[in-house]
Amino acid sequence: DTEVTQTPKHLVMGMTNKKSLKCEQHMGHRAMYWYKQKAKKPPELMFVYSYEKLSINESVPSRFSPECPNSSLLNLHLHALQPEDSALYLCASSPPGTNENIQYFGAGTRLSVL
Amino acid sequence: AQSVTQPDIHITVSEGASLELRCNYSYGATPYLFWYVQSPGQGLQLLLKYFSGDTLVQGIKGFEAEFKRSQSSFNLRKPSVHWSDAAEYFCAVGRYNTDKLIFGTGTRLQVFP
Repeated sequence: DTEVTQTPKHLVMGMTNKKSLKCEQHMGHRAMYWYKQKAKKPPELMFVYSYEKLSINESVPSRFSPECPNSSLLNLHLHALQPEDSALYLCASSPPGTNENIQYFGAGTRLSVL
Repeated sequence: AQSVTQPDIHITVSEGASLELRCNYSYGATPYLFWYVQSPGQGLQLLLKYFSGDTLVQGIKGFEAEFKRSQSSFNLRKPSVHWSDAAEYFCAVGRYNTDKLIFGTGTRLQVFP
């Protein structure tokens, strides 16, 4: 079982709104990731949590705020976004006990910022 | 620095024809190599991976890939394409004990009946 669940599937928000994206996995994976993907482009890494600690922040603007409340859950809090932040946001996770960095992806949240 | 090149932006094949998608990487040591597939509006699904050992790896959905160190390549193949294989394909490279994957720019596969 390699299921990563993301909610919501679609989200429309205004530039003054605050919203959150949610990602869950119940596979005991050690690392969880947030990616941003624009149309016809590869995913761009935003954040990595390893064993519930933020290990990588790819210089993402502060209007994106990640949170890892426990080993199964990853949130991405959104505030004061810009229209150019509209994209597919993907969550991924990696199993423990390996160094090969296999990543399993969720189906994504399609975000539109108006 | 690591990099991944997918030379073909768009490939069109007829259903039942064979397929080869190219991937070249740049990395000093033995890389960890992956192929992912993404259907429109969906997440990425892992097709196959190579870490070490046999250079011909089998994946899901009838795909295989061959690691050629001398050519720094990891090309994806399928002997007979189905219409449901139409999607975007990404090659990715990782390295030991890091959490980053470097993705290629992707190849869009179109399948005609």
